[in-house]
Parts: sequence; C-alpha cells; structure tokens
Amino acid sequence: GAGVSQSPRYKVAKRGQDVALRCDPISGHVSLFWYQQALGQGPEFLTYFQNEAQLDKSGLPSDRFFAERPEGSVSTLKIQRTQQEDSAVYLCASSLDKGYGYTFGSGTRLTVV
Amino acid sequence: GQQLNQSPQSMFIQEGEDVSMNCTSSSIFNTWLWYKQEPGEGPVLLIALYKAGELTSNGRLTAQFGITRKDSFLNISASIPSDVGIYFCAGQEQYGGSQGNLIFGKGTKLSVKP
Repeated sequence: GAGVSQSPRYKVAKRGQDVALRCDPISGHVSLFWYQQALGQGPEFLTYFQNEAQLDKSGLPSDRFFAERPEGSVSTLKIQRTQQEDSAVYLCASSLDKGYGYTFGSGTRLTVV
Repeated sequence: GQQLNQSPQSMFIQEGEDVSMNCTSSSIFNTWLWYKQEPGEGPVLLIALYKAGELTSNGRLTAQFGITRKDSFLNISASIPSDVGIYFCAGQEQYGGSQGNLIFGKGTKLSVKP
C-alpha cells in the first residue's frame, strides 16, 4: 500500500479484556517497529521485526504484551488482560531496512476503562 | 524509558516569526531525526542528519547535528499557520541489540499566538 495502515484507529477496552492491534506496513518494507506513545509524551520503542523475526522485544513493558509478524508483512500487537496504564496511542512504523527512514502509521488509540 | 531532553516544551508563534528548538542527550547518537506530528496522525519525518556537524535544510527548516553528537537543533524560518503541531527530535541508536531504534524527545508544541 501507499502508507503504513493501522487498525482499528480507536479501541475502547474494559480492564481485563484482551486486545489485538493490526499493522499493515508498506509493501516490501523489511523492518517493522512498534512504539507506544502516552499522552503528552514522545513515542517509546516496544519491539522490532526484521521480516518475520522478532529481533528486539526489550521495550515490551510486561509479559502481557506480545507481538508477531508470522509472514514477514502484517504484524499484530496483542495486549492481554489490559490495564488502565496501557491506555496510549500505539504506533507502527516500517522501513526498507534498518538505518533507513521510517514511515509511521496514524496509530491506534487504546483507551482502557 | 530513556528520552532526550527537548526544549522548549511549548511555544507560541506569530506568522512570520522564526522558531528555534533543540534537543540534548547524555548519549551519543549516530543519526538525529526531526519529526512533526499533527493530531490523530503519526510522526512525519522532516529532516535526517547523519554526520556530526552536518547542517541540513528542507525548505524553511534547518537542522544541525552537534559536533559532540549529543545534541541537535531545528530552526523554522518565517513561520506560517500550518507549522502548528508537535515537533519531536529523535536519536537513532546504531549498535548493539537496539540497532535502529529511535529514542524520542518529549516534543515541542507549536501553537499560534491568539
């Protein structure tokens, strides 16, 4: 596609509910990143994929967060048993390869009530 | 998590004014990037800097990569209303397990003077 597409744009979850956030990167982009952006803050790194391989998941805040990219294109970020502190915008970015410019998606705004 | 020190946090602009913002870090970065984010959208890359001391322009925007590789500034000349938004600096790590990740500042919010 022309850009990085994320869905849903908005998600309201009840505390304890599981959620799945989807990212469609730009076609052919090898690298895919997930970032979390809390209100009034800059984005913070969560995890990184090179094709289907998850090479870095050091930014995932807890074992409730899980990401996958099974075929090296679409990626899903899953949050189990959501908590209020998980409320944030989740941004996906892709690039041709590491070291090249990223293109960010518009994000998914998650609100946990 | 680790973040860069970006200042000012917010500023008001009047059309035609020049704007300046900067970013400092305790860590060395090999690449500095400046992004702009508008409400409901993801960050959009404005300028990328790859060499210490590098001065790069993109239209009315000028950015410099500090000699120490621990700082960068962004200038916007002759501001216009559509410059309103949040500007983020980001340092790109290049070595070790976090290769390629971006470390972002907290942002500078540009608003129009009433």
